[in-house]
Amino acid sequence: ETGVTQSPTHLIKTRGQQVTLRCSSQSGHNTVSWYQQALGQGPQFIFQYYREEENGRGNFPPRFSGLQFPNYSSELNVNALELDDSALYLCASSSGGRGPLTEAFFGQGTRLTVV
Amino acid sequence: AQTVTQSQPEMSVQEAETVTLSCTYDTSESDYYLFWYKQPPSRQMILVIRQEAYKQQNATENRFSVNFQKAAKSFSLKISDSQLGDAAMYFCAYRSATSGSRLTFGEGTQLTVNP
Repeated sequence: ETGVTQSPTHLIKTRGQQVTLRCSSQSGHNTVSWYQQALGQGPQFIFQYYREEENGRGNFPPRFSGLQFPNYSSELNVNALELDDSALYLCASSSGGRGPLTEAFFGQGTRLTVV
Repeated sequence: AQTVTQSQPEMSVQEAETVTLSCTYDTSESDYYLFWYKQPPSRQMILVIRQEAYKQQNATENRFSVNFQKAAKSFSLKISDSQLGDAAMYFCAYRSATSGSRLTFGEGTQLTVNP
């Protein structure tokens, strides 16, 4: 186990609703990244938080937003849910450096189903 | 923008045999890192092996090794003495040396190990 925990593990929401996913980073890590993994595809980068500030964003609309707290845990919020938002959402924490040894440790993901 | 391509959606190997998974990438950067991740049915991404682009020597981790061809932008993973526990989805990933911990993933290769 990596020490990165995500909650909930599974979630079913109705189209148009809002959802909040949570991630507790590994001890000592100050960077959290979020990824969306559609069924049968590779993860796609949503955004990254470093020391409570957004520090990089992928090609996702503004209805995907996030927060990072002083303890470096993080939330991913998605407003106005669409059917295509159904996916596995992965959180990864790292120490925030740029060298190869700043390995990203992943949680087990939250499976979101939008109906 | 960087892209990562895995041209083998599925591969299979007999237990104790060797298998090679292919990955190509496209980038205009000269300094970057490459990774292979394993994603078993538990969904958690596990780092298998990493390669720094500035190193000519191919990385090796026990039964796992890579063939890194920088000029060809190729990064294949060789699994020797395959074990049943190696069965999983394998993702090739790219990380720029200047973009923090953001990973760009390929589409994945589903590896089946036959007893």
